[in-house]
Formats: sequence, structure tokens, C-alpha cells
Amino acid sequence: AQSVTQLDSHVSVSEGTPVLLRCNYSSSYSPSLFWYVQHPNKGLQLLLKYTSAATLVKGINGFEAEFKKSETSFHLTKPSAHMSDAAEYFCVVSPRGPYNDMRFGAGTRLTVKP
Amino acid sequence: DARVTQTPRHKVTEMGQEVTMRCQPILGHNTVFWYRQTMMQGLELLAYFRNRAPLDDSGMPKDRFSAEMPDATLATLKIQPSEPRDSAVYFCASGLLGRDTGELFFGEGSRLTVL
Repeated sequence: AQSVTQLDSHVSVSEGTPVLLRCNYSSSYSPSLFWYVQHPNKGLQLLLKYTSAATLVKGINGFEAEFKKSETSFHLTKPSAHMSDAAEYFCVVSPRGPYNDMRFGAGTRLTVKP
Repeated sequence: DARVTQTPRHKVTEMGQEVTMRCQPILGHNTVFWYRQTMMQGLELLAYFRNRAPLDDSGMPKDRFSAEMPDATLATLKIQPSEPRDSAVYFCASGLLGRDTGELFFGEGSRLTVL
């Protein structure tokens, strides 16, 4: 069985401060992991992906995530938040590699205060 | 600019009516997913296809939902009969297995309201 848990439903930060969005997964296999972003009334866009290569993954817009197998975590970070980062963020797990039963976490809404 | 196209973008219908949502995946992509998004349940995986064959549709209510790929350029999701609890945004996404990227390209969604 596999699942993904986003530990915070809502995160609020001030502009210019670091962002941390937490994700834990469970998988019987070596999964592929992703972070997607959804801006209001828009579709979803890939931020970054882990597919068994480097454990520290860099994505678009300054985001990065580190795959930690021992902690079964794939937390998303950004050193300095920008107002345009306000959106819903989804952690996604795909067991047995990409495009297999890709399941979304419940999402974390990021608010950025001026 | 290649993109996933979904129609209709918005649909309002009455309970009991049939609803068909269509998706045109990116040309050449061999994997297509259907998701449903609601405030209460978030993004739920309904079904997915590879090379037009259904791999998993366990997320769909079998008695009323059906998903097909009549050809490589069209995926359909049908609800018959529709119920108010089916109101949601339905997303289609496609990708190409083989490049090992894992990225899903999403359409803009079909917003369904069942009265």
C-alpha cells in the first residue's frame, strides 16, 4: 500500500522568509515523488520531481526538496518567499516509478503576507 | 505549444442527466489520468490508462462512472446518471512513459455542477 501525507493544511509566512511544506509518504517500493502547485482557479503545474537520482532536487521558482528515505519524507523548501508563491501545493507519490497510480496528498495552502 | 485540452470547461446539469467530459492528451503521450477535485476530498484518482488500456479504475463509482479512450487522441469520462455529489472539478492529465520524467501535464479542468 502507498499513501502520502501532507502534515500542514495551511502554512502562512511573511514575504522574504523561508518556506517549509512537509510531506511524508509510505510505499512498499522505491517511489517517485513530486510536488505540484495549483494557483487559484488554475490547473496544476509540476514544481519538481524525484525519480531515484539525486536526493536533493531543485525545481522551478527557487523551490527544492530533499528525499530522505530513512524518514520517508520529501519536504519542500524555499529560502525566501515571494507573494506570487501563494497557492496550493500538492505532494504526489507514484510507487514503482513514474506514472503508476499517482496519488495526491491533501494539499497545503501557502499564504504569503507582505 | 502542446497542452492537454478538456471540454467542456463548465457544465451545469440536473440530477439524473448524463454528463460526458472529454480530454485531448498531448500528442504522443501514452498515459492518461483522470482526477476529481473537491474541497472535502481533495484530488482523487479516478482512473488511468496506458496505451489506451485501462490500468486502474478503482477510484470510480462503477455503477455510474465510465472512462474510455476511443483512440489515442481522446479520453472520455461519462457519468450516468449524475448526482449532486458528483459536483467537482474533473482534471485530465497526460504523460509519456519512457522518457522517465514522470511529469503529468494537466488540463484546466471541467467544472461540473449537478443540481
